This record gives sequence, C-alpha cells and structure tokens, in this order.
Amino acid sequence: SQQGEEDPQALSIQEGENATMNCSYKTSINNLQWYRQNSGRGLVHLILIRSNEREKHSGRLRVTLDTSKKSSSLLITASRAADTASYFCATERGDYKLSFGAGTTVTVRA
Amino acid sequence: DAGVTQSPTHLIKTRGQHVTLRCSPISGHKSVSWYQQVLGQGPQFIFQYYEKEERGRGNFPDRFSARQFPNYSSELNVNALLLGDSALYLCASSLTSGRAYEQFFGPGTRLTVL
Repeated sequence: SQQGEEDPQALSIQEGENATMNCSYKTSINNLQWYRQNSGRGLVHLILIRSNEREKHSGRLRVTLDTSKKSSSLLITASRAADTASYFCATERGDYKLSFGAGTTVTVRA
Repeated sequence: DAGVTQSPTHLIKTRGQHVTLRCSPISGHKSVSWYQQVLGQGPQFIFQYYEKEERGRGNFPDRFSARQFPNYSSELNVNALLLGDSALYLCASSLTSGRAYEQFFGPGTRLTVL
C-alpha cells in the first residue's frame, strides 16, 4: 500500500503556465519530499519539507505542507518543456523508508 | 562526482530463475536503499542497509534479499522469479539512515521476467 496519493493523476499545461499538484497522506510524518522522474528513469530529488515547516521554495518550485490536513502541494511556476515528467511525493515517518504515491504525470506543451 | 550507479541497465530472465542487481552509492554515503517500481506506480520500499546492517524491510517475500559490502556497495537478490517481479529496481543512497536526509537515486535496473 502507498502512503501518499497525488492529485491529479495527469496534468497538461502550456509552456509558461503554472502547474500545481497535490499530495495527501494518511499517517503522521517526519518530513515530506518531492521527486521528479523522467521517462521511467531514476528519481531526482526536488525538495524536502520537514513536519514543522509550512512552506519552502527552491527556484521555480514552491512546496506547502499542512500537517493538520495531511496534505502537501507542489507548484511549478513558469513551466518549461523540460518540466515534462512524473512527480512523486514521498513521506518519511522515522522508519527508515520513503513511502511514495502513484505520481502526477505533467506534460508541458510548447 | 559520480552519482549512484546500478548494473545491469536491463535484464531479461525467465520464471524460476535467480537475479542479482548491483548498486554503488555516492562516495561518502553509507546508506543504501532498494525500491521496486512497477509500471504506472510509485516506488515501493524493499530494503535499507546502513553500515552493512539491515535497518528496514518492506512488505516483500523472503525471495528478496540484499546485502551491503564494506565499501558500502550493495546487491539485491531475487530468487524464484515470478512474472510479477518485472519492474524497475531503484537503488538510492544517503549520508546516513537517519531522518530528514534526501535520497539520491540511481538510473535503475529494468528487469523483465518472461
């Protein structure tokens, strides 16, 4: 079973637009991480937000965390074709493993 | 600096066979984790090793085993392969096995079981 669930499953946007995806999880966490995966290859770490943080920025990425709602969102601003990928949230609960959701597939159209 | 490396890149096996997948972590990283990613799903945790000791195990049968060597590289072994073992196997390394450390993933080994 997977801890997190991303929403939507798929997203298609025009280059330059913003992309927002959400992640919900079921149990308390130590931190939540977002990863990107291109064409079924290895995952690239994007950002980590701790359970006592509410918002974090990294370049064009903005992540929020609401522990009361057990949810997180990832915003990609001014999207580019290179942002086309699958995005996964992963939760860490202090048990040495990351629990991933099924991912959101983002397609950025030129 | 080299990232996490995995070998082989692709592998085709038949049911009942055994397979060994290899992973070399980033230099200085002492923790290695293994994940299975079935097509269309997110990665599922299999094992984590730190300083050659198993620190965590996911919900996988005993056909799956792993070990970590003194140089921190790792092997994942799967016995008696089933069709359902077809997946991308990902290795990830991190500095420690503690909390709040990002994991760096390798490119994966694509296993096909016929």
